[in-house]
Amino acid sequence: EVQLVESGGGLVQPGGSLRLSCAASGFTFSNYAMNWVRQAPGKGLEWVSYISSSSSTLYYADSVKGRFTISRDNAKNSLYLQMNSLRDEDTAVYYCARDFEDNSGYHFPFGYWGQGTLVTVSS
Amino acid sequence: QSVLTQPPSASGTPGQRVTISCSGSSSNIGSNYVYWYQQLPGTAPKFLIYRNNQRPSGVPDRFSGSKSGTSASLAISGLRSEDEADYYCAAWDDSLSGYVFGTGTKVTVL
Repeated sequence: EVQLVESGGGLVQPGGSLRLSCAASGFTFSNYAMNWVRQAPGKGLEWVSYISSSSSTLYYADSVKGRFTISRDNAKNSLYLQMNSLRDEDTAVYYCARDFEDNSGYHFPFGYWGQGTLVTVSS
Repeated sequence: QSVLTQPPSASGTPGQRVTISCSGSSSNIGSNYVYWYQQLPGTAPKFLIYRNNQRPSGVPDRFSGSKSGTSASLAISGLRSEDEADYYCAAWDDSLSGYVFGTGTKVTVL
């Protein structure tokens, strides 16, 4: 069974930093691209960042570019999001999400989701 | 800021068919696959539709997706009380080099 468990959320002051982790199990982590998606309280989903299976390709939403860094450690089956220069508008539940693989071996985004971790940016 | 536009709400009685639209542009829906997600209250989103109209195993065939030009739709037939949730479309955007989600539609079963 695919399991994704986020951790590292909490209360941080504006301008501060936080590192989120996502522990993966139940599948071969190194075979799948991963994403971070966030959801502000009472709002919709917002894609944050993508990392390919080998870490060779990274993408970021404009809203976090230059402040957030996505990374992974395939040996530890873990995904990370380093968040710096945090702003009030970064307050959200952060989800990690794994690609879905169909019967033909093609991969599609956000097939499996963790339960999320809440980040609150406030003074 | 959402690039894909959805109606804020939709509703129907049990057994009815409900359709949710998702409007984008040539850089996202017009040139890439559309995906749909269901988010039940207080839970993480769930994968519903991929590649415009394909269902992962375990998703009831009451859910169907379609795409035409720069718009897409999700249809729920035989509406059930457990379908009451928020629904989001998503697609890759070539101009932004990133994924974009729809604004979300809350489905209410009357």
